[in-house]
Amino acid sequence: GAGVSQTPSNKVTEKGKYVELRCDPISGHTALYWYRQSLGQGPEFLIYFQGTGAADDSGLPNDRFFAVRPEGSVSTLKIQRTERGDSAVYLCASSLKPLHLSGRGEETQYFGPGTRLLVL
Amino acid sequence: EDQVTQSPEALRLQEGESSSLNCSYTVSGLRGLFWYRQDPGKGPEFLFTLYSAGEEKEKERLKATLTKKESFLHITAPKPEDSATYLCAVHSLNSNYQLIWGAGTKLIIKP
Repeated sequence: GAGVSQTPSNKVTEKGKYVELRCDPISGHTALYWYRQSLGQGPEFLIYFQGTGAADDSGLPNDRFFAVRPEGSVSTLKIQRTERGDSAVYLCASSLKPLHLSGRGEETQYFGPGTRLLVL
Repeated sequence: EDQVTQSPEALRLQEGESSSLNCSYTVSGLRGLFWYRQDPGKGPEFLFTLYSAGEEKEKERLKATLTKKESFLHITAPKPEDSATYLCAVHSLNSNYQLIWGAGTKLIIKP
């Protein structure tokens, strides 16, 4: 079946602009996660959705970052007034059930290919 | 504070030269430990989940093991296509929603 998809695959923007990054999770997966990854580092947690609601947004670095998942499927990560420090790979993952509610195997997170964001 | 440390940062091996990657963790209680493989320009690809000390999982040339303080990813007779960054992540009792990730080990297998 289809995996997690993310668009665009690459995004180049200028400092101060607004960007939207889209994630299409695996069908039927209730949990959706956004991560940010810098070169040579592991994924850094940003936000987690259970259904339509953001259950944990403690990883969002500041109020320029916002994410939605209005129908409990596709999610959009929105970054306002982009800064050069926002340049990174933004990864999306989905799982059948969330970490804290799952039986063994149901919590496995499957990742998309990422969106490479470059802020000039 | 929960922490995950992977070593070495990078490992270069000749094709066929077996070795192990380490993932050490300090957490209040382990719910699960995950191994992923990440190729350049791609998202992490799930390999294994381990839940309790003594557990082992195998897939082709890879075998993951778990103790109460660390996990090893053993690679036997590796091939160049095994070259990738291997990431380890832990789900701890302290965190309902988040995994704690290591920085990864970059594995290079030379033909």
